[in-house]
Amino acid sequence: AQSVTQLGSHVSVSEGALVLLRCNYSSSVPPYLFWYVQYPNQGLQLLLKYTTGATLVKGINGFEAEFKKSETSFHLTKPSAHMSDAAEYFCAVTGSYIPTFGRGTSLIVHP
Amino acid sequence: DAGVIQSPRHEVTEMGQEVTLRCKPISGHDYLFWYRQTMMRGLELLIYFNNNVPIDDSGMPEDRFSAKMPNASFSTLKIQPSEPRDSAVYFCASSTLIRGNTEAFFGQGTRLTVV
Repeated sequence: AQSVTQLGSHVSVSEGALVLLRCNYSSSVPPYLFWYVQYPNQGLQLLLKYTTGATLVKGINGFEAEFKKSETSFHLTKPSAHMSDAAEYFCAVTGSYIPTFGRGTSLIVHP
Repeated sequence: DAGVIQSPRHEVTEMGQEVTLRCKPISGHDYLFWYRQTMMRGLELLIYFNNNVPIDDSGMPEDRFSAKMPNASFSTLKIQPSEPRDSAVYFCASSTLIRGNTEAFFGQGTRLTVV
């Protein structure tokens, strides 16, 4: 069995501030972990993924995430938020080939 | 590749009517997923196929929902009869495990409104 918990349905930051979106997972097998972004009226796009190897993963648009097995976490960060980052972000885990998604976190960026 | 293609993008129908949503997965992908997205329940997995065979349909809410995958390049999700509570965005996604690729690629979705 696998599950994902995203802490905070909404996160609000000022432009230029640090972005931190939290994700905790559970999986009965070594997980593959993903972050997706969804812009209004669009499908989900892959931001980054962790499969094996380096635990700090870099993605598109300056985002990165760190896999911490001991904490069962895969938090998403970006040093400096941009207005264009405003979107819905989904964390997902695949332990058995089938992706399970969190409820999503809406990122709001204030000028 | 053009990515996962869904049609129609928008569908408005009256309660009781049959609705058919269509999906063309990425060529070469052997997994196909149907998801439903609502504000109340988030992103729910309805059913998935592997090599055109339905593997798990436990997420299908009711017998009114059915899905088929007659070949590797086409799948349908049908709702008959439709009800207002079926209003949601329906996503199709595909993936493959070949070459270690594991992520699901999503279509643009079909926004269904049942009035």
